[in-house]
Amino acid sequence: ETGVTQSPTHLIKTRGQQVTLRCSSQSGHNTVSWYQQALGQGPQFIFQYYREEENGRGNFPPRFSGLQFPNYSSELNVNALELDDSALYLCASSFLDSYNSPLHFGNGTRLTVT
Amino acid sequence: RKEVEQDPGPFNVPEGATVAFNCTYSNSASQSFFWYRQDCRKEPKLLMSVYSSGNEDGRFTAQLNRASQYISLLIRDSKLSDSATYLCVVNNGDYKLSFGAGTTVTVRA
Repeated sequence: ETGVTQSPTHLIKTRGQQVTLRCSSQSGHNTVSWYQQALGQGPQFIFQYYREEENGRGNFPPRFSGLQFPNYSSELNVNALELDDSALYLCASSFLDSYNSPLHFGNGTRLTVT
Repeated sequence: RKEVEQDPGPFNVPEGATVAFNCTYSNSASQSFFWYRQDCRKEPKLLMSVYSSGNEDGRFTAQLNRASQYISLLIRDSKLSDSATYLCVVNNGDYKLSFGAGTTVTVRA
């Protein structure tokens, strides 16, 4: 088991709404990364958080934002939802200095925007 | 050009067959490479890391060709349980992994 847990497992929202997804890091890890995987595509990097600050960001608009808490758990917030935001959202925790190490993902949150 | 490109397949093979496929990456400075396996509607799971000298893990063999910038995965003696999407993953030494769109393998009885 990866030790990374995400909630909720599934979520249905309406266009224009806001959503918050949650991730609990594996014990001892200080960094959290979020990825979006649309149907038929590979996961795309959204951003990474370290010490409660954004440490890197992919090509996603500002309506995608995040938080990391002192216990290293994290939230992904998406405002003004669009139909194209429908995807599997994946979270992974790691150590900051482990750039060359693989990531182990949580089981993901499947978001459907109608 | 995409950072990581894969043949989407599908590769349909009988049990016991050998199947192999490649992926190409665009950044010659890429530092680490992985194959992930993803089952339908599940999260990707690490299958194996790919080392410069090539490496095996049971029936799975991964190769890296830095000169031509491609990575390969070979599955010997295919099992029904090998049916999945295989994601090629590259790290350029920064904070993110770059994923291919995946190669689908279906093993039939």
